[in-house]
Amino acid sequence: AQSVTQPDIHITVSEGASLELRCNYSYGATPYLFWYVQSPGQGLQLLLKYFSGDTLVQGIKGFEAEFKRSQSSFNLRKPSVHWSDAAEYFCAVGARMDSSYKLIFGSGTRLLVRP
Amino acid sequence: EADIYQTPRYLVIGTGKKITLECSQTMGHDKMYWYQQDPGMELHLIHYSYGVNSTEKGDLSSESTVSRIRTEHFPLTLESARPSHTSQYLCASSESYTQYFGPGTRLTVL
Repeated sequence: AQSVTQPDIHITVSEGASLELRCNYSYGATPYLFWYVQSPGQGLQLLLKYFSGDTLVQGIKGFEAEFKRSQSSFNLRKPSVHWSDAAEYFCAVGARMDSSYKLIFGSGTRLLVRP
Repeated sequence: EADIYQTPRYLVIGTGKKITLECSQTMGHDKMYWYQQDPGMELHLIHYSYGVNSTEKGDLSSESTVSRIRTEHFPLTLESARPSHTSQYLCASSESYTQYFGPGTRLTVL
């Protein structure tokens, strides 16, 4: 069955430090992969997506993610975290099921940023 | 990126009331979705639509209903709200494989 795992429930980093959020997926075919960010009380904002081609994807707000097929991973990275990056981050895989297409979300990783 | 709107943003209501959560998008997207999200948890798909007069139930069973009479509008209705319906409801739309989300409605049923 299709699934997305985000192993880290919480991550705390210092402002200015680098960040990596992990995401592993289970999907039989070539996946469509997404990272979204959610600030408290808000909806989800798309950070970046991967469909095909270059496995290193650049997104908004200085984020990037790398698709590694051999590891079934799509980890999110940022070289220098800002206090405003504190939020919940969701990884998702787009999956075809029967005649429909759906996004399957991970359970999220909450990022806390120390001053 | 889609412009997608949800009203109200916050709603506190008593048990047994009928409520409708509004969702509208201005991009002409055919596909629209409703998700339910409890605090700190993942999103669960409760309804989706691939076009006018098309609605389907999602993966999470929900007592809510939806309608799609116009492309831009996808309201969700609860005929009789209960405390178990307390949650955040997120609406999304897409034209292809990427979904764009509204700001959500946080519903509290007392």
